[in-house]
Amino acid sequence: EPEVTQTPSHQVTQMGQEVILRCVPISNHLYFYWYRQILGQKVEFLVSFYNNEISEKSEIFDDQFSVERPDGSNFTLKIRSTKLEDSAMYFCASNNGGLAVPYEQYFGPGTRLTVT
Amino acid sequence: AQSVSQHNHHVILSEAASLELGCNYSYGGTVNLFWYVQYPGQHLQLLLKYFSGDPLVKGIKGFEAEFIKSKFSFNLRKPSVQWSDTAEYFCAVNAYNQGGKLIFGQGTELSVKP
Repeated sequence: EPEVTQTPSHQVTQMGQEVILRCVPISNHLYFYWYRQILGQKVEFLVSFYNNEISEKSEIFDDQFSVERPDGSNFTLKIRSTKLEDSAMYFCASNNGGLAVPYEQYFGPGTRLTVT
Repeated sequence: AQSVSQHNHHVILSEAASLELGCNYSYGGTVNLFWYVQYPGQHLQLLLKYFSGDPLVKGIKGFEAEFIKSKFSFNLRKPSVQWSDTAEYFCAVNAYNQGGKLIFGQGTELSVKP
């Protein structure tokens, strides 16, 4: 069964450094999402992406964050200058339904980002 | 703004006990409702979903959930839990025609004692 994959599984970085989290969505999916979960807190929506542009972003997704689909398979989340409070598990998800259609989102295993 | 509340943070049960996990949401319009499960070290997986129709939905592994619109609730149930049900359970809501994002509850950790 096709799966969403994410790399790396764990990333440790120093405050102020740039990080890129990578995701490979399921191949025929068209809608992509990033979520994060700070330890002990809710899974929070960051951004949705369709047709090579951001469809929606939350207030968490400020100018330090960007997303890109650099080729036909990868979907990346970049944090330009990491802060301690960016430490979290970051989940990528994809689906083939649409933004107005309630299709199931398929989640990757997550990348644990630790900012020191 | 939409929000989702899960009342139980950590539930401990013995095998064969019945399970009910509460989920309430706040949103006045039409919603799509989901329960996801995360087994230790694994992905978030869909347990079941409600879009329309019969408010009692059945999912995988013997789970079911009932949508009660008047109570803004979507509680998850299982008549007899197994040790392998030990996991974290997340309720999530998608507001219809408001984009594809999911709004999650804080999760309930279920521990089943053999």
